[in-house]
Amino acid sequence: QSALTQPASVSGSPGQSITISCTGTSSDVGGYNYVSWYQQHPGKAPKLMIYEVTNRPSGVSNRFSGSKSGNTASLTISGLQAEDEADYYCSSYTRSSTLFGGGTKLTVL
Amino acid sequence: EVQLVQSGAEVKKPGESLKISCEASGYSFSSYWIGWVRQMPGKGLEWMGIIYPGDSDTRYSPSFQGQVTISADKSISTAYLQWSSLKASDTAMYYCARHGRVATIPPDSWGQGTLVTVSS
Repeated sequence: QSALTQPASVSGSPGQSITISCTGTSSDVGGYNYVSWYQQHPGKAPKLMIYEVTNRPSGVSNRFSGSKSGNTASLTISGLQAEDEADYYCSSYTRSSTLFGGGTKLTVL
Repeated sequence: EVQLVQSGAEVKKPGESLKISCEASGYSFSSYWIGWVRQMPGKGLEWMGIIYPGDSDTRYSPSFQGQVTISADKSISTAYLQWSSLKASDTAMYYCARHGRVATIPPDSWGQGTLVTVSS
């Protein structure tokens, strides 16, 4: 199975909102409500930011939100802060494997 | 609190074998799938496979089937990733990650990573 499709990079100014998309198929993103998003700072392990499309783990800022429409899931970060600059990955359940997106580098200008 | 603590960095030569580990705590190890993710230098995350420690049921990504072996010892709450003959292209950071009670639901907790360097 192919990786999920994410934009290679996005950018925004402090205080702005950005959205990162994650496109799959009806066999993964579109077929199940098991999409997660991870934040990874350089040299660090990935950190879960969103699970089951829209849910935030305890301790994750409410500036992070998730949604899905058809075969595309999205991560929105509002009120951008310098500390949000990182790589972001989406991930989806499939019946035979776990898929990851190629990753999106977020730059805070 | 779920914790996954991985073994330390390794430097190996091509053709050598290697087994790295991931010790879990803070939850019922036997009841959750646990897996491995590769991240090559400067690249994205790649799902390698998972194991259910309760009965050792193991699933592999087609890309890694036959290339590595995933195992677990539930008596010491530890998962393993093993190579019989390393290649230079195995140089990467390897993360263990806890999945759900259903096999391929995306992981919710990650280890700190083990850097494997293969060089002659």
